[in-house]
Amino acid sequence: AQTVTQSQPEMSVQEAETVTLSCTYDTSESDYYLFWYKQPPSRQMILVIRQEAYKQQNATENRFSVNFQKAAKSFSLKISDSQLGDAAMYFCAYRSANTNAGKSTFGDGTTLTVKP
Amino acid sequence: NAGVTQTPKFQVLKTGQSMTLQCAQDMNHEYMSWYRQDPGMGLRLIHYSVGAGITDQGEVPNGYNVSRSTTEDFPLRLLSAAPSQTSVYFCASSPRTARPSGNTIYFGEGSWLTVV
Repeated sequence: AQTVTQSQPEMSVQEAETVTLSCTYDTSESDYYLFWYKQPPSRQMILVIRQEAYKQQNATENRFSVNFQKAAKSFSLKISDSQLGDAAMYFCAYRSANTNAGKSTFGDGTTLTVKP
Repeated sequence: NAGVTQTPKFQVLKTGQSMTLQCAQDMNHEYMSWYRQDPGMGLRLIHYSVGAGITDQGEVPNGYNVSRSTTEDFPLRLLSAAPSQTSVYFCASSPRTARPSGNTIYFGEGSWLTVV
């Protein structure tokens, strides 16, 4: 079974600075998807960024980028120029590309505080 | 663009009562899942489905039943509510592998359940 580990329960960053959230996962599969989701206090789950394992290039979405290290099974999220609105809980998630898999595995989350 | 719709948003139950959380998606997704999120915690998978007529247990299935008679709907039934089931419940859906769009997981807005 796949597992996802977020080793940092809490992180803080100064506004306008850069922060990196860590995520490692364990799988025997070679084809899968990885996601970072943001959950603000409203509890809504918002997709931040997605990475396909067969793509070597790291995904980027504006101020958000990932460092995907497939061999090391590592998938960290970098937030540049942090803003107050980035304060939230962030979840790393794994999804098999196997069409029979059907379920996703989430880490326990990292709570990010942004200091003004 | 309804996406994933959950009802009710808020519910208070007495211990021993039963109820059904409704989940519907209009994106013709094969995969649907139910998660629970306790305060300050991550998402734990209750049940999931890879298509109409097919369901399977996640990591915390006890006390819950599901069925999937149509592609669109995936209701979650609490059989005899207990205070330990006080949580926020999320329904999620995703398509089968469909590159290049990938397998993004779409979430409902959550159902806040309190059992007294």
